[in-house]
Amino acid sequence: DTAVSQTPKYLVTQMGNDKSIKCEQNLGHDTMYWYKQDSKKFLKIMFSYNNKELIINETVPNRFSPKSPDKAHLNLHINSLELGDSAVYFCASSPSGQGLSYNSPLHFGNGTRLTVT
Amino acid sequence: AQKITQTQPGMFVQEKEAVTLDCTYDTSDQSYGLFWYKQPSSGEMIFLIYQGSYDEQNATEGRYSLNFQKARKSANLVISASQLGDSAMYFCAMREGQGGFKTIFGAGTRLFVKA
Repeated sequence: DTAVSQTPKYLVTQMGNDKSIKCEQNLGHDTMYWYKQDSKKFLKIMFSYNNKELIINETVPNRFSPKSPDKAHLNLHINSLELGDSAVYFCASSPSGQGLSYNSPLHFGNGTRLTVT
Repeated sequence: AQKITQTQPGMFVQEKEAVTLDCTYDTSDQSYGLFWYKQPSSGEMIFLIYQGSYDEQNATEGRYSLNFQKARKSANLVISASQLGDSAMYFCAMREGQGGFKTIFGAGTRLFVKA
């Protein structure tokens, strides 16, 4: 009954390879996100999708291509991996803000630790 | 640009004592939400507490309370009666913008609880 699940948990690969991370949520939320947490633990939003539509793209290199086949899934494909892509990638979901209400927290997956060698 | 500032990279607290983790934010929006999350060494992100920009009372959730001072744009987390299991990274976050599609995080504070 995991709420937000992402796979794989660990990903070790070489520079130049292409890899994908999958995310699924069963909370019925309409908004999903990808965050990157670097080695200093800083969390930065990468993408935000609402009902399968891209809403936020935080100047992420176009080697990163998110895809949302439906509102319960948001996958992340990364082309031509670089050393600087090594990080923990978190998927998250939430209901979208309704009117003046922003009270819904993000529900996070357990993260995917990507190591590029 | 919106911003969250956590000025304490690391904090120590004695078990059973209270501790305050600082957070200031910057936004020109009237509607926003402020959150605190905990990240233990196991890596998962755990939601702790929420404060809305229009809420007049400070939020409380068990041993957690949020000291919200809107005019000063601060949203400090107070943990009462610290426990060893409270040792973790703590992140302050703000959700804002039309539809609330963006939540930004501060750099985090690592809390160490001493026995």
